[in-house]
Amino acid sequence: AQKITQTQPGMFVQEKEAVTLDCTYDTSDPSYGLFWYKQPSSGEMIFLIYQGSYDQQNATEGRYSLNFQKARKSANLVISASQLGDSAMYFCAYFNAGNNRKLIWGLGTSLAVNP
Amino acid sequence: SQTIHQWPATLVQPVGSPLSLECTVEGTSNPNLYWYRQAAGRGLQLLFYSVGIGQISSEVPQNLSASRPQDRQFILSSKKLLLSDSGFYLCAWSLVSSGRGAYEQYFGPGTRLTVT
Repeated sequence: AQKITQTQPGMFVQEKEAVTLDCTYDTSDPSYGLFWYKQPSSGEMIFLIYQGSYDQQNATEGRYSLNFQKARKSANLVISASQLGDSAMYFCAYFNAGNNRKLIWGLGTSLAVNP
Repeated sequence: SQTIHQWPATLVQPVGSPLSLECTVEGTSNPNLYWYRQAAGRGLQLLFYSVGIGQISSEVPQNLSASRPQDRQFILSSKKLLLSDSGFYLCAWSLVSSGRGAYEQYFGPGTRLTVT
């Protein structure tokens, strides 16, 4: 069965610096996708970025980029130029289209941005 | 554009009372719908998902049930709440198919349930 691991329960970063949030996965599926979501204190889950296993380039969305290393089975989220509003929980999730489109979620990383 | 609504936003209910949480989606047709529960400081636990009207799949055996009476309406219910039902309940939707093969889920604002 697929498994998602986020090894950093909590992270701190100084405002305006970059930070990397780790995510590793375990799968034997040839085709899959990886998502990152942000959950601020309000509770709503916000979709940030998606990486498909066959995508040739790492995904980028504004200040978010995904460092996808397929051989290492890692999909780390990089946030550049951190802002105070980036303080939140961040979740990595695995997707396989054959799995009834269900997402398998990591336990999350709490990010605090210091002024 | 698509929007997803959930209500109520917060709820305090005594043990043994019934529960009904509602989720509706606007701006899309025939979405996949999901109910998640998140305990304090924890990740998301998938409770139910639906690929169409009347089609519900349960992920976790418990005293909760779900129904999809209309294409864009998803309801989470319980006849008798337990203390362990306390948590943050999130409804989400996704496209049935996507041109780029991505099936990101979009979440509602959530309902914070406290069972006393």
